[in-house]
Amino acid sequence: QKEVEQNSGPLSVPEGAIASLNCTYSDRGSQSFFWYRQYSGKSPELIMSIYSNGDKEDGRFTAQLNKASQYVSLLIRDSQPSDSATYLCAVGGTGGFKTIFGAGTRLFVKA
Amino acid sequence: DAGVTQSPTHLIKTRGQQVTLRCSPKSGHDTVSWYQQALGQGPQFIFQYYEEEERQRGNFPDRFSGHQFPNYSSELNVNALLLGDSALYLCASSLTGLMTDTQYFGPGTRLTVL
Repeated sequence: QKEVEQNSGPLSVPEGAIASLNCTYSDRGSQSFFWYRQYSGKSPELIMSIYSNGDKEDGRFTAQLNKASQYVSLLIRDSQPSDSATYLCAVGGTGGFKTIFGAGTRLFVKA
Repeated sequence: DAGVTQSPTHLIKTRGQQVTLRCSPKSGHDTVSWYQQALGQGPQFIFQYYEEEERQRGNFPDRFSGHQFPNYSSELNVNALLLGDSALYLCASSLTGLMTDTQYFGPGTRLTVL
C-alpha cells in the first residue's frame, strides 16, 4: 500500500516565525510532489510542486525534496495568521496517476 | 480562464438513493480525477478519467462509477448510498503529460446521506 505520512499537528507558530511542515512517502518510484493548502470547508489550493531533489522557492514558501530519504518538506517564512490552514502533501507517479494525499498537518499562526 | 467547476455545491440524500455529481475541468485540461474527503482526512483517490476512459481506480466499490464526455467534463455516480458516503467530493483536473500532471481542484460537492 503506497502511503504518504504527515504529522497531523496542530503545529502552532507565532506570527513572523518560520513554519516547517514535513512529509514522508513510501513509493520510491514517485515522480511528482505537491503541497496544497486547505482552509476549513474549502477545497485544496495548490501552493507548490516539486519534481527534482533540492529546494524550490516561491515567495515565502520553500519546498524541499530528498528522494533518497523519501522526504519532502514545506517551509513558510514570515508566517501570517492567514496561513492558518491544513497543509496537504501529495505524491504522484508518472503522468499524475493516482496521486496519493497525506492526511494533512493543521497549522495555527498566532498573532 | 475558467477554473474547475463542480455542481451541485451541496446535496442531501437518504440511504439507498443514487446521486450524480458533475465536474467541468479547467480550460485546456483533458484529465479529471475524483476524490472523496471525509472530515479530518486527506482526499482519497476514487478514479481518474482520460480520453473518456477510466484510467486508474482507487479502493472504492463498484457502487462508485463515472463517465467522461467528449468535452472532457465528467460525472461521478454513486449507487445505493450508505451513511459512510457522506463526505466532500472533489474533482481535480490536469493535463496529461510528463511533468504536467499538476492537479487543480474544484470547490467540491458536500454530500450528506441521512
